[in-house]
Amino acid sequence: DGGITQSPKYLFRKEGQNVTLSCEQNLNHDAMYWYRQDPGQGLRLIYYSQIVNDFQKGDIAEGYSVSREKKESFPLTVTSAQKNPTAFYLCASSVAGAYTEAFFGQGTRLTVV
Amino acid sequence: KQEVTQIPAALSVPEGENLVLNCSFTDSAIYNLQWFRQDPGKGLTSLLLIQSSQREQTSGRLNASLDKSSGRSTLYIAASQPGDSATYLCAVKIAPLVFGKGTRLSVIA
Repeated sequence: DGGITQSPKYLFRKEGQNVTLSCEQNLNHDAMYWYRQDPGQGLRLIYYSQIVNDFQKGDIAEGYSVSREKKESFPLTVTSAQKNPTAFYLCASSVAGAYTEAFFGQGTRLTVV
Repeated sequence: KQEVTQIPAALSVPEGENLVLNCSFTDSAIYNLQWFRQDPGKGLTSLLLIQSSQREQTSGRLNASLDKSSGRSTLYIAASQPGDSATYLCAVKIAPLVFGKGTRLSVIA
């Protein structure tokens, strides 16, 4: 059935490591998004992509990188430059356009050990 | 910069009560407003989408209203049930979505 799949559900990172979070959708959506959620902070936008091979920085892009080589995939890399990466990461997608509804995956919880 | 505020931050009610969650936003130039539900440790489930030209949307026991000119939306939950316990998030779409911090609802049996 259609949806957005994030993997893994839990991820542990050592200090200084880069890690990549996966987000795959089979909804045929053009737009995809990455949000970070911290307790008491709400969701903050990291990166978004409206079309393949193009993406824009959100409010907190520093220390993160993305790629959009395929329509259905939008992986997020948390680099060693991200000083406080422990958080809940949520991927979303929508049909392209201003008036469209967004749908979310089940999230990945990243913990630095 | 668009800011979204949700009041109250937390709410506890007895089962069966009707309740209202509030959302306000600072810039009325939005495309739409979306209400989500989030259970602990889970992703977001879309509840209702209101386009900027609409005044309200209904789904079952849920009714959401939008007053774009005053920058306000309310989510009305009728006859609350323990299964409604979750965090409810409001988000407005300008380009990507901008979120409020949510209202954590507890419905006590």
